Order: sequence, then structure tokens, then C-alpha cells
Amino acid sequence: QKEVEQDPGPLSVPEGAIVSLNCTYSNSAFQYFMWYRQYSRKGPELLMYTYSSGNKEDGRFTAQVDKSSKYISLFIRDSQPSDSATYLCAMSAGYGNNRLAFGKGNQVVVIP
Amino acid sequence: NAGVTQTPKFQVLKTGQSMTLQCAQDMNHEYMSWYRQDPGMGLRLIHYSVGAGITDQGEVPNGYNVSRSTTEDFPLRLLSAAPSQTSVYFCASSSTVDEKLFFGSGTQLSVL
Repeated sequence: QKEVEQDPGPLSVPEGAIVSLNCTYSNSAFQYFMWYRQYSRKGPELLMYTYSSGNKEDGRFTAQVDKSSKYISLFIRDSQPSDSATYLCAMSAGYGNNRLAFGKGNQVVVIP
Repeated sequence: NAGVTQTPKFQVLKTGQSMTLQCAQDMNHEYMSWYRQDPGMGLRLIHYSVGAGITDQGEVPNGYNVSRSTTEDFPLRLLSAAPSQTSVYFCASSSTVDEKLFFGSGTQLSVL
């Protein structure tokens, strides 16, 4: 079993829809949870960062962490064509060596 | 405001050739790392460094060497290129405080 599971299946949604992405993980030591956005032929960029459980909101983006279920989610409200990208979840136990465990990424296409 | 800079952006090598991928960061980050990204495989850690003079192996280190003589630079050397090393390579850096990784724009490498 991989440490982080993320369904890589492409997701196509119409503009304005809510996009829902999620990852599950197996390591109960994970405390830092992140979502990265990667546009085609670009490097990943940090989108959301959460420590421990709870919700975090930033504009149209909401990140949720449920440590009891080992499950994290990213929601994109009022999706725009510019949100079309691959979204990777990442997490870390915070042992100071900065070794993140990444999901494989989820490609999202927002159709105008 | 450069962040993490990688060169070259594209490279074609013949099997057996050697080369160095360059990575530099201007954020005074202690931690630097190299990933490769392949379709269906996600990001895989090759080597990482927690400071000048300190390096360690990641998940897929074979065929690659690194050194860290300064805080700013972390080059990745391919000793004898093989077709299996065809991939997109990303350099990343972070402080040791919060686990947030900052990525470069990547090097697309093809080995023929």
C-alpha cells in the first residue's frame, strides 16, 4: 500500500461547477498537508497548506483535513478555465527532513 | 525574485553520455531536493540535502550523483545516461521550518 493514494483519473467539469479532489493516506504521523497545482510543462506550485486537522479557505479554494479518517480534500468553487491543471496532494510528518509524500496527481479540465 | 532556477529547460542525450542539471535558489533555504516526474508514477525523490556538505539518497538514486558545496546550488549529475532516465526533472527547496517546497520550472530530458 502506498503512503498516499490519489485517484489520477482526469476530471472534466463545466465552468462554474464545484471541483472536489481527495487523497487518502496510511501514515498516522503525517501532520502537514499540502495541495500543489501544476500547469502543463511547469513546476508544481504550492496552493494550500494546512497543519493538523481542520479546514482552510483561501478565496475559491478550501482544503479539509480529517486525520481520524486519514483523508484530505480540496474544493474549488466557481471553477474557471484557468483552474485547468493537475493537482497533487502532499503530506509530511514534519521530522525536519522535509521529505514530502506525494499523490500521483489529479488532472482537472474546466470546460468554458 | 527568481526563487528556484533550473537549467537547461530541455536536453537530449545519447545513451552513455554524462551531463549535469543545474539548480540554484536565492531564498537561503537549507533544504534542496531533486525529483523526477514520469507519467503514472508521480513525483519521485532522487536525492536531497539538508545543508551545505550534507546529501542523502531518496527513493530512486541509482544513476545519479549530487553534491552541495554552497547553500544556493544543488547540481544533479547523470553519470552514464540511459533511456530509463528520460523524464522531467524538478529541483525544489524549502526552509526547515515549515515543509513548504518551492519548485523550479523543470528540465525535460530525453535519452536516445
